Amino acid sequence: GPKVLQIPSHQIIDMGQMVTLNCDPVSNHLYFYWYKQILGQQMEFLVNFYNGKVMEKSKLFKDQFSVERPDGSYFTLKIQPTALEDSAVYFCASSLEGYEQYFGPGTRLTVL
Amino acid sequence: QQQVRQSPQSLTVWEGETAILNCSYENSAFDYFPWYQQFPGEGPALLISILSVSNKKEDGRFTIFFNKREKKLSLHIADSQPGDSATYFCAARYQGGSAKLIFGEGTKLTVSS
Repeated sequence: GPKVLQIPSHQIIDMGQMVTLNCDPVSNHLYFYWYKQILGQQMEFLVNFYNGKVMEKSKLFKDQFSVERPDGSYFTLKIQPTALEDSAVYFCASSLEGYEQYFGPGTRLTVL
Repeated sequence: QQQVRQSPQSLTVWEGETAILNCSYENSAFDYFPWYQQFPGEGPALLISILSVSNKKEDGRFTIFFNKREKKLSLHIADSQPGDSATYFCAARYQGGSAKLIFGEGTKLTVSS
């Protein structure tokens, strides 16, 4: 199926530092999402983004989180400052019409 | 409150058997139900999906049966192969909403040869 890329695959940072997770969505897709997964458990929705704006964010999307996609480049999730509980695998997804969502391979974030 | 539930948590079948994975939901406003297959260390891959206006969807060895009245659906994997061993997630999308997916807890399938 369509490929979503994520960079980096792993990131280890100290608590309090800033981190940016990058997503290269499918080229013609219009909807972009971030999900969080802890230890192979269920995926939890963080935020979705359409037409340059956040459409909806969950209670997991804390004030320290932000997303953007400047000029059609990477769709990014920034966490500033990071906390221990932010350690998880973050998945980016994209879809054309808001139905079929295609996921990237994930970024494993470890906050020390 | 868990809006999408899956059972069993884990399932082992023999090669060639049909694996049946169950999913139930609470919110009548869900209109689209994808199933994802996830291997360890990878992202979830869209396997098959169904809209709430249908009661069955087939794609090769994979079939979704959907019962809107009972708010239940199941994924049948026919002629299971060892390569099907993975975790399967059922998800649901709100009708007319922001298109976010609500995921179940997953079923870990093991196919023994």
